[in-house]
Order: sequence, then C-alpha cells, then structure tokens
Amino acid sequence: NSKVIQTPRYLVKGQGQKAKMRCIPEKGHPVVFWYQQNKNNEFKFLINFQNQEVLQQIDMTEKRFSAECPSNSPCSLEIQSSEAGDSALYLCASSPHERLFFGHGTKLSVL
Amino acid sequence: GDSVIQMQGQVTLSENDFLFINCTYSTTGYPTLFWYVQYSGEGPQLLLQVTTANNKGSSRGFEATYDKGTTSFHLQKTSVQEIDSAVYYCAMRDQSDNNNAPRFGAGTKLSVKP
Repeated sequence: NSKVIQTPRYLVKGQGQKAKMRCIPEKGHPVVFWYQQNKNNEFKFLINFQNQEVLQQIDMTEKRFSAECPSNSPCSLEIQSSEAGDSALYLCASSPHERLFFGHGTKLSVL
Repeated sequence: GDSVIQMQGQVTLSENDFLFINCTYSTTGYPTLFWYVQYSGEGPQLLLQVTTANNKGSSRGFEATYDKGTTSFHLQKTSVQEIDSAVYYCAMRDQSDNNNAPRFGAGTKLSVKP
C-alpha cells in the first residue's frame, strides 16, 4: 500500500476555476514530484522539489500552476484557472534516492 | 534529449503465455532503468530497477536486462497470469543529474485472459 497520500481522490471544477490538490510524501523522502497523466496514460513531468526548494519545472507549471512543499505541511499543486485540457490524473511521488513512490493520484475533471 | 520508447500500446495474452514488452532508451548520461506497473485505480509502483549496464533485474517472475549495446531494457515473463493485467511503464533516470525527474515511456497495457 502506498504511503504517499493524495487528496482529494476526485476533483470536479468548471473552466476558469481554481483547482487545488494535496500530497503528503512518505516520511523521510526529501524529493517530491508531480506528474500529469493523461487519458492515454502518458506522463508529463510538472515540477519537483527537494525539501521546500523547486528543483525543476516546466513552462506550463511556471505560468498557470502554483506548487509548494512547505515544511511540516502537505505539498500542494494548484491550477490557477482550470482549462478543459487540464483534465487528467495528477500523480504525486516522493523519493529517497532513485525510485519513486507514487500516491493514488487526484483525478481532475474540468467541465 | 533523453527519451524512452515503448512501441506496444496494448498486448493481449492468455494465461501461461510468454510476455515480452519492448523498451528502448536514448540518453547522453548514465541511466538507471526502471519498470513500473500501474493497476487499475492505483498509482504506479516499482516492479524492478537496474543501475549497472548488462545487469538483470527481476521481481515476481518478471525480468529485464539493461543492455547498453542495444540501449534496451525489455521486460519478460515466462508465464503470465490474469492478475498481471495492468499498464507497464519503462522509465529512465540520469544518475549524473540529481535534479532530474525520471522519464517514462508511453506505457503498455497488458490484458491477460483466463
């Protein structure tokens, strides 16, 4: 069973609305990743953190998404103004070194 | 740039059939190679990983060999079972860049019929 906890499991938003999802990484894992998985099962890397610092992020994330991993609080990923194309499964993963441990994901539907 | 190629989008087999899923990779770095499996309604989980070239990884009857010569990491299982039905992802991470995120292939959906 995954020890990476993602909430909510399902999220439904209208276009233009904010959509926020959270992730509690596995204890002791310093690196956290967010991926977007589309309906064709393809993974798109969004952003990763080491402790509270951003390591890498893609352009889309920089412009329309905000993400943080504060100490002693869940990590979060927020889409500022949802678009239909944002409908996907958002996967959070934490890592002690090489392998990733994934949560169950947050399935976002933008109507 | 780095890439992971899985050409087979879907594979359908019967129980006890032999499984072979192609994966090739491209990188200028030093890859660690992974196979992840994602069951319906769950997040992906690690199936096996190999860090050193020409080594084999194995888990739950699945095997994959990191072949540096052909830049391949094909997944095999001698006799699949219905419970193996899932989506399988080949992935790669460059050991020389600690900041990078693992890159995933497009996934291969395996359906095993009883």
